[in-house]
Amino acid sequence: AQTVTQSQPEMSVQEAETVTLSCTYDTSESDYYLFWYKQPPSRQMILVIRQEAYKQQNATENRFSVNFQKAAKSFSLKISDSQLGDAAMYFCACSHSGARQLTFGSGTQLTVLP
Amino acid sequence: DAEITQSPRHKITETGRQVTLACHQTWNHNNMFWYRQDLGHGLRLIHYSYGVQDTNKGEVSDGYSVSRSNTEDLPLTLESAASSQTSVYFCASRGQGNTEAFFGQGTRLTVV
Repeated sequence: AQTVTQSQPEMSVQEAETVTLSCTYDTSESDYYLFWYKQPPSRQMILVIRQEAYKQQNATENRFSVNFQKAAKSFSLKISDSQLGDAAMYFCACSHSGARQLTFGSGTQLTVLP
Repeated sequence: DAEITQSPRHKITETGRQVTLACHQTWNHNNMFWYRQDLGHGLRLIHYSYGVQDTNKGEVSDGYSVSRSNTEDLPLTLESAASSQTSVYFCASRGQGNTEAFFGQGTRLTVV
């Protein structure tokens, strides 16, 4: 079984600033994948970024990047140059290669202040 | 474009009634999932299917059932709705390997 923990229920950031959302996970598998999903008020789930555990290089997608610390089982999301449209609930998720379902954390509600 | 759709978007039902939430995807994905979203719990897995005629229980399956008679559809049935099942329900589908999971728009279910 896998568990995903997001210890920050709420975070806020000033527009144009940088914010980091934390995520830790626990899995006994050696081959697994990690994801960050964004859920704006529309309720739609949108993939932000993903990381394969076997890759040492941290994934980056434009203003979004991750800090993947495999030994510490940590997978934080950094949002640079925050924009008002980044305000949303962010979910960290994990799946391992033998199972196709994702296990989610409890979410972090991000507020972007103008 | 391929998509995954849920219906209805909103539903109010009475305690004890049977309710079925529909999920239809045109991605041709074998893997489909039902989650419920509650504040403080994130998304929790209810049931999942890896293909036609395959169904499996997830973390919070009590009181729910699914069936998979074709690739496109995975309906979720609440056998006898309870107030504890008031929630937002998401259907998702996913291809093989490290692929993105695609989600429906969600169904807000209220049991009164």
